[in-house]
Amino acid sequence: EAQVTQNPRYLITVTGKKLTVTCSQNMNHEYMSWYRQDPGLGLRQIYYSMNVEVTDKGDVPEGYKVSRKEKRNFPLILESPSPNQTSLYFCASSFSATGKAFFGQGTRLTVV
Amino acid sequence: DQQVKQNSPSLSVQEGRISILNCDYTNSMFDYFLWYKKYPAEGPTFLISISSIKDKNEDGRFTVFLNKSAKHLSLHIVPSQPGDSAVYFCAASAAGGYQKVTFGIGTKLQVIP
Repeated sequence: EAQVTQNPRYLITVTGKKLTVTCSQNMNHEYMSWYRQDPGLGLRQIYYSMNVEVTDKGDVPEGYKVSRKEKRNFPLILESPSPNQTSLYFCASSFSATGKAFFGQGTRLTVV
Repeated sequence: DQQVKQNSPSLSVQEGRISILNCDYTNSMFDYFLWYKKYPAEGPTFLISISSIKDKNEDGRFTVFLNKSAKHLSLHIVPSQPGDSAVYFCAASAAGGYQKVTFGIGTKLQVIP
């Protein structure tokens, strides 16, 4: 079954404690991206990756890092989380930016 | 500045009638547009897309219309069903296939039985 898997689904953490949200896809997609969803702001792209070792900033990259060492995985790293990063995060994959994207179930992150 | 705008935060429609969701964009480099549907507690799911070389694309009950000169697209759902109640996002991307994807803020559609 084609899917994008994110973990964890829910996370509560404290300010400054490094965390990683994992994302994995099984469709051999080249394009992967991370979004955050906030009330009144819709979905905003954080980072995207065109292929292994190729990443670029989206619209709201500050405070986030990503890596793409393998085609299937695209983890999102928050080196020093702050309360303004409390949000609902989605990972997505597709063959290209213009292709139909498959989204994960989401990770609800709370930073206190 | 919002490059993809969905100016109606919500829309209510009677079951069986037409739902029309609108989306405007400002970036003339956008040439591919997608619509996604999102239910609560789930990730968005792809609905339909259109490239700038077309002005209409149809898939079952869903039709997307693109007016390039007005930088406007709309999603028509006919007939609307209660299961269509969800948040609908418009998204846009530029040429080349390896670019940013910009989403609108979404429109919440409620289909009343």
